[in-house]
Amino acid sequence: GQNIDQPTEMTATEGAIVQINCTYQTSGFNGLFWYQQHAGEAPTFLSYNVLDGLEEKGRFSSFLSRSKGYSYLLLKELQMKDSASYLCAVMDSNYQLIWGAGTKLIIKP
Amino acid sequence: DTAVSQTPKYLVTQMGNDKSIKCEQNLGHDTMYWYKQDSKKFLKIMFSYNNKELIINETVPNRFSPKSPDKAHLNLHINSLELGDSAVYFCASSQDRVEANVLTFGAGSRLTVL
Repeated sequence: GQNIDQPTEMTATEGAIVQINCTYQTSGFNGLFWYQQHAGEAPTFLSYNVLDGLEEKGRFSSFLSRSKGYSYLLLKELQMKDSASYLCAVMDSNYQLIWGAGTKLIIKP
Repeated sequence: DTAVSQTPKYLVTQMGNDKSIKCEQNLGHDTMYWYKQDSKKFLKIMFSYNNKELIINETVPNRFSPKSPDKAHLNLHINSLELGDSAVYFCASSQDRVEANVLTFGAGSRLTVL
């Protein structure tokens, strides 16, 4: 079966750095997405990786290793507004998105 | 202008009733989706329409019926509501189904079945 694993919850301190991991097992691979979802709101797109390596976008970076079935989202200089759930999703060989359950990130002052 | 708008935002109803959720996108996207997000926060694809044609229909009970009058609209009708249907339903759209397919989500419709 297809599976996306990510930690259920993480806590970090304002101003610090946090890394949210995602491992996947899917039928084929056509890219990995990270979305941010604030409580009670819709998911919004953060990043897309299809080749191995690091993609940097401001305070957020996303890394992919296809051979290891592994990705992480790195958030730097954490702000209180970064408190949200972070969803990892993989597009399989049929171009269907397989979603993880999300990691709830709690930022403390 | 809201890119993907869905109504109603909240819906509380009794078991056995029939209800509809409407969705409209003004992005000119070719593909629209309905997702269900349950209390455990998993996003599960229910339906996908590409240019008014159904292209995904996961193992969803036939009490759920999507209707797409045109490529900018995808409505969801639910018959004989059950307690387990309580969830947040998200409409989404994307330019197409291929790689780098970024989804734009609506704000969600929280359905509570009593």
